[in-house]
Amino acid sequence: AQSVTQLDSHVSVSEGTPVLLRCNYSSSYSPSLFWYVQHPNKGLQLLLKYTSAATLVKGINGFEAEFKKSETSFHLTKPSAHMSDAAEYFCVVSDLDSNYQLIWGAGTKLIIKP
Amino acid sequence: DADVTQTPRNRITKTGKRIMLECSQTKGHDRMYWYRQDPGLGLRLIYYSFDVKDINKGEISDGYSVSRQAQAKFSLSLESAIPNQTALYFCATSDVGSTDTQYFGPGTRLTVL
Repeated sequence: AQSVTQLDSHVSVSEGTPVLLRCNYSSSYSPSLFWYVQHPNKGLQLLLKYTSAATLVKGINGFEAEFKKSETSFHLTKPSAHMSDAAEYFCVVSDLDSNYQLIWGAGTKLIIKP
Repeated sequence: DADVTQTPRNRITKTGKRIMLECSQTKGHDRMYWYRQDPGLGLRLIYYSFDVKDINKGEISDGYSVSRQAQAKFSLSLESAIPNQTALYFCATSDVGSTDTQYFGPGTRLTVL
């Protein structure tokens, strides 16, 4: 069965420094992988999506993620954090096993220090 | 205007009351979903509908029911609300050709006292 593990419940970085949010997944088939962002008191916005094309996926707001099959990872990165990046980030997987329904990680809260 | 709308945005109710949450979409998508979000648990699927005549239970359907009144409308009901149904509820839609890319409404915050 597929699952998603976000390795950190909270990540705190200073403004202008790199961001790394870690995600590991398990999947029996070729998965689709997503990162969603949820700003405080807001809905969910799709940041980026991987679907077996290029392993490095670029998303909105300068975020990108790299699919590493050998490590079953899909970590989210950004070179330089901005105060507006403070939000909760969710890693999500879907595949044939789940009938392409979304399986969600528990979320990582990103805190940006001035 | 938002493509996926939810009403109400906030609701406080008492144990035992019947509650309906409504979702409307203008994206023209056939597929619609209801999720709940609890702190530290991510989102969990309650029900989903692939078209007006197709309704399916998700991971946590007990205590909930749904109605797909039209392609654009999908309602979630709590027949007799209980406190552990206090959560943030999201509606989502997806296109047939890209089922796993879902678009979310703004959420409904439900509190059951």
